Amino acid sequence: EAGVAQSPRYKIIEKRQSVAFWCNPISGHATLYWYQQILGQGPKLLIQFQNNGVVDDSQLPKDRFSAERLKGVDSTLKIQPAKLEDSAVYLCASSLAGFGESDEQFFGPGTRLTVL
Amino acid sequence: LAKTTQPISMDSYEGQEVNITCSHNNIATNDYITWYQQFPSQGPRFIIQGYKTKVTNEVASLFIPADRKSSTLSLPRVSLSDTAVYYCLLAGYSSASKIIFGSGTRLSIRP
Repeated sequence: EAGVAQSPRYKIIEKRQSVAFWCNPISGHATLYWYQQILGQGPKLLIQFQNNGVVDDSQLPKDRFSAERLKGVDSTLKIQPAKLEDSAVYLCASSLAGFGESDEQFFGPGTRLTVL
Repeated sequence: LAKTTQPISMDSYEGQEVNITCSHNNIATNDYITWYQQFPSQGPRFIIQGYKTKVTNEVASLFIPADRKSSTLSLPRVSLSDTAVYYCLLAGYSSASKIIFGSGTRLSIRP
């Protein structure tokens, strides 16, 4: 079974530029998550989708970050414009349902973003 | 708002049993306790999940006391490959629940 796919794996941009990340979850997984992980910290949930609806985006900096999950499958996360403090690994995860006893999250390899 | 508290780091030796405790005093009734493992340059990987008492799978055990205010991840007979960061996560399965990873415990296993 294919895992969660993310691209690109690495991205270097200058501050004030825009960047987009792509995620393809495991087939059949209804829930998709985007996390930001700053070096030395645990992942921070940015947004959670259930199919193509948003469940939680309370920690998404909406003035510069946006995410969409059209058709309830793959998703894109965009940063516009980027700031130095956005340098982090952006992790995408998916789970079967998002609710229920054994809803394990499967993580992708992440995209390492460096903002200069 | 931090929902869980774990030791920042732990050291142990190959072949030993390692127990990592997580405190979650404000656990909600519908929260499950989940542990993830993360190696450098990889995404976290699910280890085990439980609601109460004891859960065991092929890689770990999870002990949860009756008041559910803490939990202990037990790794039997660790090896060098168990060196990683371990996260305790409360995942409440409702739309009102927040998924919050703590800072994790950095476990170092020595020969």
